[in-house]
Amino acid sequence: DVKVTQSSRYLVKRTGEKVFLECVQDMDHENMFWYRQDPGLGLRLIYFSYDVKMKEKGDIPEGYSVSREKKERFSLILESASTNQTSMYLCASRWGFGTGELFFGEGSRLTVL
Amino acid sequence: GQQVMQIPQYQHVQEGEDFTTYCNSSTTLSNIQWYKQRPGGHPVFLIQLVKSGEVKKQKRLTFQFGEAKKNSSLHITATQTTDVGTYFCAGNSGYALNFGKGTSLLVTP
Repeated sequence: DVKVTQSSRYLVKRTGEKVFLECVQDMDHENMFWYRQDPGLGLRLIYFSYDVKMKEKGDIPEGYSVSREKKERFSLILESASTNQTSMYLCASRWGFGTGELFFGEGSRLTVL
Repeated sequence: GQQVMQIPQYQHVQEGEDFTTYCNSSTTLSNIQWYKQRPGGHPVFLIQLVKSGEVKKQKRLTFQFGEAKKNSSLHITATQTTDVGTYFCAGNSGYALNFGKGTSLLVTP
């Protein structure tokens, strides 16, 4: 079975702190994604990566950056956390370009105080 | 950019009633996917539709892709309490999937 593992299920951080959210997949997928999910807003794409060291902005990249140094690992970075970044963050991966099932991690619920 | 609209936002049905959620894209899609997210869980893939006018069934679930490849629907026949959750459609646009806001289904026994 494909497994997408997010390092932290729950985090509580203070405004201004730097936050790292880690995601690892074990199926050699080329494509990895970070979404945030908020009530009534669905899933919104923050960043995605289609290869090592390659990244593309999604719909809401402001306040975030990403890193993909190894194929299996895709990190989301909040350089200076703010309260409006309190959310559920979902990592996902898939093999195909423009097609194919997305496999999601369990999610990381971040609270910024 | 591409927008995917989904209605209704919420639906509350009695067990045994049918349920339908609708999805519309602002652009023609190469394919569309459907996901289910149980309360407290993460989205799980249900199906992908690729061809214009395609209809697929999974037990009590029927998925349709419009002729113009801009709309889709998910119909559940005779809902059960296990159907509770949020159903998302997602349209493929280049590398990424654009998700609708989802329809939350509540089923009362």
